[in-house]
Amino acid sequence: DTGVSQNPRHKITKRGQNVTFRCDPISEHNRLYWYRQTLGQGPEFLTYFQNEAQLEKSRLLSDRFSAERPKGSFSTLEIQRTEQGDSAMYLCASRPPPGTENTGELFFGEGSRLTVL
Amino acid sequence: GEDVEQSLFLSVREGDSSVINCTYTDSSSTYLYWYKQEPGAGLQLLTYIFSNMDMKQDQRLTVLLNKKDKHLSLRIADTQTGDSAIYFCAETPTDSWGKLQFGAGTQVVVTP
Repeated sequence: DTGVSQNPRHKITKRGQNVTFRCDPISEHNRLYWYRQTLGQGPEFLTYFQNEAQLEKSRLLSDRFSAERPKGSFSTLEIQRTEQGDSAMYLCASRPPPGTENTGELFFGEGSRLTVL
Repeated sequence: GEDVEQSLFLSVREGDSSVINCTYTDSSSTYLYWYKQEPGAGLQLLTYIFSNMDMKQDQRLTVLLNKKDKHLSLRIADTQTGDSAIYFCAETPTDSWGKLQFGAGTQVVVTP
């Protein structure tokens, strides 16, 4: 499978616990994005990496959220002290390097659904 | 709320055409996209249109772009039950590192 891979697909946790999601982008894609999607809404941008550098963070990304991409390949999104409002689908997407693509398309994974009880 | 606006729901009979409408905000957006999301799944790119185009046709899909009114539409011809899904319009705002700004999505229900 050469698509964007995310795991776990589902996570149920109790309020106050920490959770971590992993994203493996398409191998030649150096740009990686995290989005959050709540019920009935479109995806909202959280953060963006180019290689290992985190170049942009949304104001939606509170201090409890941290994302890393240490080697410029896979990425992790950690949520500390989860709250019920964090319940959502967390989507990862990737894009090839600039100059190698012609559509601007984001390739999405199937998402990691978080339920905070 | 979203800067990209879409109607929330569309019901269509199998075999009819569906038209999903979207208004966007950034007149400098280079590309505009239509993504499809089926229940429990990620987003799949359906089609896109470059901002210097007025229309793009791709098999059963026709995209119309009115830059003056910042209006984008997606027409699905001969709608099938497999077309039941949520459809998202998205734009690429300038200076955005390539991130997409999505609408809230239009749920399309195809009835036999």
